[in-house]
Amino acid sequence: GIQVEQSPPDLILQEGANSTLRCNFSDSVNNLQWFHQNPWGQLINLFYIPSGTKQNGRLSATTVATERYSLLYISSSQTTDSGVYFCAVEPTAGTYKYIFGTGTRLKVLA
Amino acid sequence: DTGVSQNPRHKITKRGQNVTFRCDPISEHNRLYWYRQTLGQGPEFLTYFQNEAQLEKSRLLSDRFSAERPKGSFSTLEIQRTEQGDSAMYLCASSSGASSYNEQFFGPGTRLTVL
Repeated sequence: GIQVEQSPPDLILQEGANSTLRCNFSDSVNNLQWFHQNPWGQLINLFYIPSGTKQNGRLSATTVATERYSLLYISSSQTTDSGVYFCAVEPTAGTYKYIFGTGTRLKVLA
Repeated sequence: DTGVSQNPRHKITKRGQNVTFRCDPISEHNRLYWYRQTLGQGPEFLTYFQNEAQLEKSRLLSDRFSAERPKGSFSTLEIQRTEQGDSAMYLCASSSGASSYNEQFFGPGTRLTVL
């Protein structure tokens, strides 16, 4: 089955720093989402981005489907950005299930 | 739109007992999904429904697990004869089902602890 790898696995930043999180997948995908999982376990939708670039405030994401990767950019990080970031891919059109990546655990220090 | 809701939020049970969880999807979403997440891992797909039809089940879903969505609205996930290995967060998600558009929205989860 498809493999979804995220890097780095862990990241510690000072408040105000910028970061780039990467998601590599081993086969073509139909859809891709980025999520932030807060300390209470809630998965929060960040981006639905099967291809192209989107921005939402301090966050932006780019998916290059032909090269099998997606990037999540966090600028001017805040302590509330702490948590685990997952990318998830729908491997084939019509399967509808998502395969989640290994996650990046982010800690932002005040 | 109130989002996806799940009940209970926490469940502690003894090994061998049966438990049932409920998920209410976003209204008018006709696809509903169940995932399981263990500590330190990403969520793993269990099963999904299109309206009331259960269309796919993961091999993770042993015969002790059963899921239903009788009227195409809420869904229940039952685990019979629970084992300690069933301890996990059980997540429900829904999506609109509009063609290939598949943005999934997740509920807060039910955290199961089997003693």
